[in-house]
Amino acid sequence: NAGVTQTPKFQVLKTGQSMTLQCAQDMNHEYMSWYRQDPGMGLRLIHYSVGAGITDQGEVPNGYNVSRSTTEDFPLRLLSAAPSQTSVYFCASSYSGGIYGYTFGSGTRLTVV
Amino acid sequence: AQTVTQSQPEMSVQEAETVTLSCTYDTSESDYYLFWYKQPPSRQMILVIRQEAYKQQNATENRFSVNFQKAAKSFSLKISDSQLGDAAMYFCAYRRTTSGTYKYIFGTGTRLKVLA
Repeated sequence: NAGVTQTPKFQVLKTGQSMTLQCAQDMNHEYMSWYRQDPGMGLRLIHYSVGAGITDQGEVPNGYNVSRSTTEDFPLRLLSAAPSQTSVYFCASSYSGGIYGYTFGSGTRLTVV
Repeated sequence: AQTVTQSQPEMSVQEAETVTLSCTYDTSESDYYLFWYKQPPSRQMILVIRQEAYKQQNATENRFSVNFQKAAKSFSLKISDSQLGDAAMYFCAYRRTTSGTYKYIFGTGTRLKVLA
């Protein structure tokens, strides 16, 4: 199915561990974003990309890195996991910068213990 | 800075009835985009409806419609003939039109329960 694919769907990490959340889209969308969803806080932007090789920070970038080597893939790296990074992470893509909406992946539930 | 407020953490509606979810926002800009997203238990965010601020006409998508009051900075979602499958979290979102701005500002969500 066409869309945004996120892996894994669930992950438990120990404090200090690192990991990469994968995101891939097959719609040839230029714009991709990572959001985190926390109870009572809606979704907040972590990092975004407007095309291969171009990334920028959102409102909560600390502790996360991204890169965009291809149009299709936009991985999110947690450098040294902390309990405060326990959250649900969503990847989203758009051809229009979100003017007509973003297509979201199904999310990754991450727990840091 | 722009903010989006959803003041109803939870709402309930009887199947086949109509329900309205509220959303207000704060902005000093005259042109922007507004969205409603649905998040069912599967977790995936699904676009329900969008509104362009410069358009006076309220957007409609089948059983979903909005009441966009620009002066009041209000953007409510009306769901008619509610169905069990409408049960979900609903998020209101705002996007500026400024070039180089791509992020959404989301509200905190309203959980909708549909009673059989």
